[in-house]
Amino acid sequence: AQSVTQLGSHVSVSEGALVLLRCNYSSSVPPYLFWYVQYPNQGLQLLLKYTTGATLVKGINGFEAEFKKSETSFHLTKPSAHMSDAAEYFCAVIPPTGNQFYFGTGTSLTVIP
Amino acid sequence: SQTIHQWPATLVQPVGSPLSLECTVEGTSNPNLYWYRQAAGRGLQLLFYSVGIGQISSEVPQNLSASRPQDRQFILSSKKLLLSDSGFYLCAWSVGLAAKNIQYFGAGTRLSVL
Repeated sequence: AQSVTQLGSHVSVSEGALVLLRCNYSSSVPPYLFWYVQYPNQGLQLLLKYTTGATLVKGINGFEAEFKKSETSFHLTKPSAHMSDAAEYFCAVIPPTGNQFYFGTGTSLTVIP
Repeated sequence: SQTIHQWPATLVQPVGSPLSLECTVEGTSNPNLYWYRQAAGRGLQLLFYSVGIGQISSEVPQNLSASRPQDRQFILSSKKLLLSDSGFYLCAWSVGLAAKNIQYFGAGTRLSVL
């Protein structure tokens, strides 16, 4: 069975500081991996995804994530936080042969001016 | 381009009342459709998904049901709401069953059961 763990339900960073949101998955076969962002009272928007190929993937709004198979991780980073990055971030996985997403419990990012 | 619509955006209902939330997709044919619930402080839980008209798969036993009367319409219903049905309901769609296909989400419906 798939599971997704997002360490830290709340993360606070200063404006301009590095953003690091952690995601680990549990699966016998490496899944496809996704990061979504949710702004208050809105739906989820795809930030980036990894399916195959280069393990460092770049997404929208300056975010990127690296798939590390040995660590079963897909952490999300951004070099310099902006106030507009304040939102809820969800990591999600899907087995390569499946059609159901498994979401983490989310990490709420606060950016301090 | 494809768009997904959910309504209403917010809803306050008394316990025991019925529920109907609607989701429609435009600009694509035969999408896979999904209903998720996001409870306060928790992640997303898949409730139902549909790969075609009249085809509904339920992921968890619950007080809710789903129907797909048309190709691009997905309805979430309840005959009698419970307090525990409160939450943020999201509809999503994808094309094809390949795992790498992205799911696109609607803006959500916030349901408060009082």
